[in-house]
Parts: sequence; C-alpha cells; structure tokens
Amino acid sequence: DVKVTQSSRYLVKRTGEKVFLECVQDMDHENMFWYRQDPGLGLRLIYFSYDVKMKEKGDIPEGYSVSREKKERFSLILESASTNQTSMYLCASGSTSPFIDTQYFGPGTRLTVL
Amino acid sequence: AQSVTQPDIHITVSEGASLELRCNYSYGATPYLFWYVQSPGQGLQLLLKYFSGDTLVQGIKGFEAEFKRSQSSFNLRKPSVHWSDAAEYFCAVGPRGNRDDKIIFGKGTRLHILP
Repeated sequence: DVKVTQSSRYLVKRTGEKVFLECVQDMDHENMFWYRQDPGLGLRLIYFSYDVKMKEKGDIPEGYSVSREKKERFSLILESASTNQTSMYLCASGSTSPFIDTQYFGPGTRLTVL
Repeated sequence: AQSVTQPDIHITVSEGASLELRCNYSYGATPYLFWYVQSPGQGLQLLLKYFSGDTLVQGIKGFEAEFKRSQSSFNLRKPSVHWSDAAEYFCAVGPRGNRDDKIIFGKGTRLHILP
C-alpha cells in the first residue's frame, strides 16, 4: 500500500514564526502536492512538484514556499505565519506514468496560528 | 474554464437507504474522473476512478459511479448506506496526457446518516 506521512497531525504556532510541514511518500512517485482545505472552499492547491528540485505554483502560493531535495520528501514552508494560514494542510503524491493518475493523501496537519 | 461542481453541500439519508451524490464537470475533453472520501480528521482516500471502457465503475466500500458523457456527470451511488459512510465526498477530474495539468477537486458533499 502507498503510504504518505506528514510530520505532525496538529501544530500550533505564533504569528510571524517560520513553519515547516514535512511530507514523505514511499512509492517512488514523481509528483507531490500540497493543498490546504478550508470549510466551504474544498481543496486548494498551494504548490506541486513533478521532480526533485522542481516546483510549480498552484492556485494559492502566496505566503508559502516549498522544497524538494529528495524524491520522497516534499516540504511546505510558511515563511512568516499569519492567522489566515490557520487551516488543514494535506500532502499528496501520485504518478504521471503514463498519465495523471490517482493521488494518495497523507492524514493532514491541522495548523493553528495564534 | 475547467471546473467541477458538486451541487449538494450537505446530504442526509437514513441508514439503509440508497444514496446518490452528484458531480458535474466542465472540461475541454473527456477527463479522468475520481471520487474520494474523507472521514473526519483524516486525509482523502480513493473510492473509485474512471479512465475508459465501461461507464459504470465499481469502487471500494460498495460504491459505484456512472459516467454520462452527454450530461458531463459522474454521480456516485450506493444502494444501502451504513453509519460508517458518514464522511465528506469529493469528486475530481484530471487531464489526459498532459503532465503539467492538475487534478481539480469539487468543493465536497458532506454526508450525514440518520440512525
């Protein structure tokens, strides 16, 4: 079974702090994704990556950055956390060989910024 | 523009009753189609997907979905729901053959089960 793990289930940070959310997948997938999920808004794509050291902006990249130094690991960084970044963050991985296929999701990190 | 619409934000059914969750999409060509389920406090889990072939797709947990090209719909069904089916359900569409495109998710339908 595909496993996608996220470093924390719950996280509480203060405004202005730098926050790191880590995601690791064990299926050698090329693609990895970060979403945030808010009530009534569904899933919104923050950033995604199709390869090591490669990143692409999603629909709401402002206030976030990412890092993919190894194929299995994709990190989301909040440079200076703000209260409007309080949300559920979901990481996913998937294959594009030979086409866009199923995404596999981690359990999520619920981040609260005070 | 590409989009996915789940017209029902909340649906309530009695345990043992049948269920249909609606999904409509707007896309340039026939996309790949997915249904995911999210139990409380959890990530999303794939229920089923349609790529090609038989337009009635069977998934896990007794769910099925039917692709109707003429209606641009991919509705999810279950003949008899169980209390454990209470969750949020997301329909999604994905591109064919273009790795630079992304999967687009609907906003979700929250299913409530009455005992």
